[in-house]
Amino acid sequence: ETGVTQSPTHLIKTRGQQVTLRCSSQSGHNTVSWYQQALGQGPQFIFQYYREEENGRGNFPPRFSGLQFPNYSSELNVNALELDDSALYLCASSSDRLGEKLFFGSGTQLSVL
Amino acid sequence: RKEVEQDPGPFNVPEGATVAFNCTYSNSASQSFFWYRQDCRKEPKLLMSVYSSGNEDGRFTAQLNRASQYISLLIRDSKLSDSATYLCVVTAEGDYKLSFGAGTTVTVRA
Repeated sequence: ETGVTQSPTHLIKTRGQQVTLRCSSQSGHNTVSWYQQALGQGPQFIFQYYREEENGRGNFPPRFSGLQFPNYSSELNVNALELDDSALYLCASSSDRLGEKLFFGSGTQLSVL
Repeated sequence: RKEVEQDPGPFNVPEGATVAFNCTYSNSASQSFFWYRQDCRKEPKLLMSVYSSGNEDGRFTAQLNRASQYISLLIRDSKLSDSATYLCVVTAEGDYKLSFGAGTTVTVRA
């Protein structure tokens, strides 16, 4: 158990809808990163939040957005869902923004129909 | 070219066998290297860091070759519980993101 919790565990949406995924980071960790893992691929970096500010972003369009709250929990929002957004979304926390050792939550499996 | 490339496998080996596989990375500025383990559609978990001098953790040995830009993982005396996907991960100094390979699948059979 890493102490990183994500909700929901599974979600089914239709194309064009919006979705919000949630993550509670491990106690004492102020940095949260989000990754997308498509079937058969490795996780791809979406963005990172450090002390409530976006600290870096991967190659994802603006319809992927996020928030980090004062308690360091985080949300990932995806607007205008596309079929290719179907994936496992992983949240990871670390003790600082350059933390290399990430602790992953068990993920949210999103299916877009 | 992908930042991190791995042989997808699968490597099917009997219990007790030794299995080894590599990963190559394209960014010569990469500074930190890791192997993560991922069981079927579960979260990745850190298996071990990879140091320049090479390192062992029980039955697992990791090597780094900076000149050729590859990392290797060797598993000795394979157990059924070693069946998983092994993800190669690199990051550059001062970088906040981890770059993952697509993973190498290992299946250990009885």
